[in-house]
Amino acid sequence: AQSVSQHNHHVILSEAASLELGCNYSYGGTVNLFWYVQYPGQHLQLLLKYFSGDPLVKGIKGFEAEFIKSKFSFNLRKPSVQWSDTAEYFCAVNARGGGSQGNLIFGKGTKLSVKP
Amino acid sequence: ETGVTQTPRHLVMGMTNKKSLKCEQHLGHNAMYWYKQSAKKPLELMFVYSLEERVENNSVPSRFSPECPNSSHLFLHLHTLQPEDSALYLCASSQEATGYGYTFGSGTRLTVV
Repeated sequence: AQSVSQHNHHVILSEAASLELGCNYSYGGTVNLFWYVQYPGQHLQLLLKYFSGDPLVKGIKGFEAEFIKSKFSFNLRKPSVQWSDTAEYFCAVNARGGGSQGNLIFGKGTKLSVKP
Repeated sequence: ETGVTQTPRHLVMGMTNKKSLKCEQHLGHNAMYWYKQSAKKPLELMFVYSLEERVENNSVPSRFSPECPNSSHLFLHLHTLQPEDSALYLCASSQEATGYGYTFGSGTRLTVV
């Protein structure tokens, strides 16, 4: 079964600082990878996703993530954060091909607080 | 609105009560999911319905009982819950049970007293 690890529970940054949130997964087969964001009091929203092709994926609001297969990692980055990026970020993975392995499995989430 | 609507938004219930959570999607998806979101824990997949049939039950206690009468509606019936069941319950839908592009509802914040 897959599992997802997010290394940082809470990250605090000042505006304009660069962001990198770590995500590692464990699964031996081919996977799809996702980052979701949950702003305070709002629903989970898809930030970006990787299925295949270019391992550097660009998402909404200036976020990007890089899939490094050899490291089983899918870290989320943003060059310059804004106060409005304050939210909780979840990495998720599912296996290709459907069935029970196709269910989306989430990490514990990383809370990002951006100081104005 | 995401296209996945959950009601109620908040629910407080006693341990002896029976209540139901409702989820409705208008996206034409054919798979629906219940997740539990607790503080400091990963989102836990509870139930998966694909084409209105339950295909997965991740060892959820029987005090949680799902129902999927059609591809647009999903219920979670609750009875004799425990305080540790207090959490945010999220519904999601997708096209086929492959996980491509889940759409989540806003959740029901459940407090068991």
